[in-house]
Amino acid sequence: QKEVEQNSGPLSVPEGAIASLNCTYSDRVSQSFFWYRQYSGKSPELIMSIYSNGDKEDGRFTAQLNKASQYVSLLIRDSQPSDSATYLCAGRGLYSSASKIIFGSGTRLSIRP
Amino acid sequence: EPEVTQTPSHQVTQMGQEVILRCVPISNHLYFYWYRQILGQKVEFLVSFYNNEISEKSEIFDDQFSVERPDGSNFTLKIRSTKLEDSAMYFCASIYTGPGANVLTFGAGSRLTVL
Repeated sequence: QKEVEQNSGPLSVPEGAIASLNCTYSDRVSQSFFWYRQYSGKSPELIMSIYSNGDKEDGRFTAQLNKASQYVSLLIRDSQPSDSATYLCAGRGLYSSASKIIFGSGTRLSIRP
Repeated sequence: EPEVTQTPSHQVTQMGQEVILRCVPISNHLYFYWYRQILGQKVEFLVSFYNNEISEKSEIFDDQFSVERPDGSNFTLKIRSTKLEDSAMYFCASIYTGPGANVLTFGAGSRLTVL
């Protein structure tokens, strides 16, 4: 099993709808998780971090963590065309002494007007 | 807002040449990283650096790669003899790891093209 796994997409969502992005992780990844957004040709930028089971909301974004199922998700409400990007799920390496962050391959999200 | 600075933004080199990519991490950050992203692929960990030494490296980071922090501010990645497959975007990142939020912050990247 890959350490962090995502569906590559593309995921197409109409403007104003909710976009739902999902991620699963293996036992080699610890309980700290991150969602990064990456526009084409740009570096990843952090959207949210989540460390505890449950939901965490920040504006239009909600991250959800289910440790029992080893599942992380990101919901984007009221999707805008500017949300079109690749979303990277990442987790901290469990056996890493250096706070190594391990990335999934990303899900490409397209918001159609 | 503090940022991680990388130079050059784009470098084109011939196969077999040495390349040095430079980074200035955020000043109070303690861990430094290099990641690589081949076009269309995932962001891959190369190496982490803490307290002036490598703390962890991936299997990608072979003898052709080296890192150093020569002057307390710059953090460099050297590729000794570039191969075609080294063509990628190289991201430097740094993190604080103290009380409060520990956010991995990326530089804008250095695009390396090996011909």
